[in-house]
Amino acid sequence: AQTVTQSQPEMSVQEAETVTLSCTYDTSESDYYLFWYKQPPSRQMILVIRQEAYKQQNATENRFSVNFQKAAKSFSLKISDSQLGDAAMYFCAYRAEGDDKIIFGKGTRLHILP
Amino acid sequence: EPEVTQTPSHQVTQMGQEVILRCVPISNHLYFYWYRQILGQKVEFLVSFYNNEISEKSEIFDDQFSVERPDGSNFTLKIRSTKLEDSAMYFCASSPGGNQPQHFGDGTRLSIL
Repeated sequence: AQTVTQSQPEMSVQEAETVTLSCTYDTSESDYYLFWYKQPPSRQMILVIRQEAYKQQNATENRFSVNFQKAAKSFSLKISDSQLGDAAMYFCAYRAEGDDKIIFGKGTRLHILP
Repeated sequence: EPEVTQTPSHQVTQMGQEVILRCVPISNHLYFYWYRQILGQKVEFLVSFYNNEISEKSEIFDDQFSVERPDGSNFTLKIRSTKLEDSAMYFCASSPGGNQPQHFGDGTRLSIL
């Protein structure tokens, strides 16, 4: 069965600092997608970043980047220059190629300290 | 930027009653999804819908649940004979294609009394 594990229920980071959120997953598939979604208190789930498993290059979106280690099945999210607006629940997620369903981790609540 | 919209934001229903949760997907999207998140637990996939039929469903999506696209814009989730354990946040999502990113709505919080 495919699973996604986020081992950090909560994290805090000082504004302007860098923070890394951890995620590991388990799958026997070779083709899949990995995601980080952000859910602020407003509740909307926002796609932060997406990684295709066949791509070796780590995805980057402005201050957000990932460290994708396929052999280790690890997919961490790095947030640089943290801002107050980054405070949210962050979900790591997986989808196999050809599947409709996304499998989510339990989430990491990120607090930004002013 | 276009958004998925869900109504109502909060629905309170007596146990045993039927409830319909409504979603308006992004207009040019072709794939539609429902997920739920029981308080304190993971977001779980319920069902996907494409070309006016269910394309994939989870074990959770039993005969109590149904989905419909009654017109060109709405996508609904009906829960018949609600149970206390149906209390959760229900998220609708849509995507332009099957392998493309899913865009989520704000969710409907369903409380069963």
